[in-house]
Amino acid sequence: KAGVTQTPRYLIKTRGQQVTLSCSPISGHRSVSWYQQTPGQGLQFLFEYFSETQRNKGNFPGRFSGRQFSNSRSEMNVSTLELGDSALYLCASSSGPPVTGELFFGEGSRLTVL
Amino acid sequence: EDQVTQSPEALRLQEGESSSLNCSYTVSGLRGLFWYRQDPGKGPEFLFTLYSAGEEKEKERLKATLTKKESFLHITAPKPEDSATYLCAVQAIGGADGLTFGKGTHLIIQP
Repeated sequence: KAGVTQTPRYLIKTRGQQVTLSCSPISGHRSVSWYQQTPGQGLQFLFEYFSETQRNKGNFPGRFSGRQFSNSRSEMNVSTLELGDSALYLCASSSGPPVTGELFFGEGSRLTVL
Repeated sequence: EDQVTQSPEALRLQEGESSSLNCSYTVSGLRGLFWYRQDPGKGPEFLFTLYSAGEEKEKERLKATLTKKESFLHITAPKPEDSATYLCAVQAIGGADGLTFGKGTHLIIQP
């Protein structure tokens, strides 16, 4: 059974640009969550989607957005990039709802903003 | 606001030397407490879910326990392959904010 797939794995952008990250969940999983991981703040919740609907959103500015498609694949977008957006962005899928803490994470997309 | 504090930040043990990792939490109402393992360059891997005080879960050399204020991850006779960062997370009843993670304990097991 294939795991959670995230693309791209690595990317470098400059301030002011925008970026789109993609996530394919485990087959049969309909819930996708996104987290940002940095050395200083650890893992922080961005948002959660189920059946193409955003169910929950973390405390991030509106520059961070996402969506989910009918095949459960998800994308997140960050506009007007800032240096502080450099991080590992992790996608996780689960079979929920209800979404439990038993999340299956991908390997992440590492974003560097210059 | 939900908070999770893990200690120590880093721990170096000799192979076979048992120890415990601590996770202290404050949450309005606990829906669940979760332990994950993260290897370098990888996403976190789920280990355990604990729902109520007094609950224990075991998997190979790992045992997780839960009280009303903290959780412990006990590692018995660890091996070098147990080296990883161990993350603790809580989910509040309602779970509107996803999981709240601690910053992890970086564990190194020396042969």
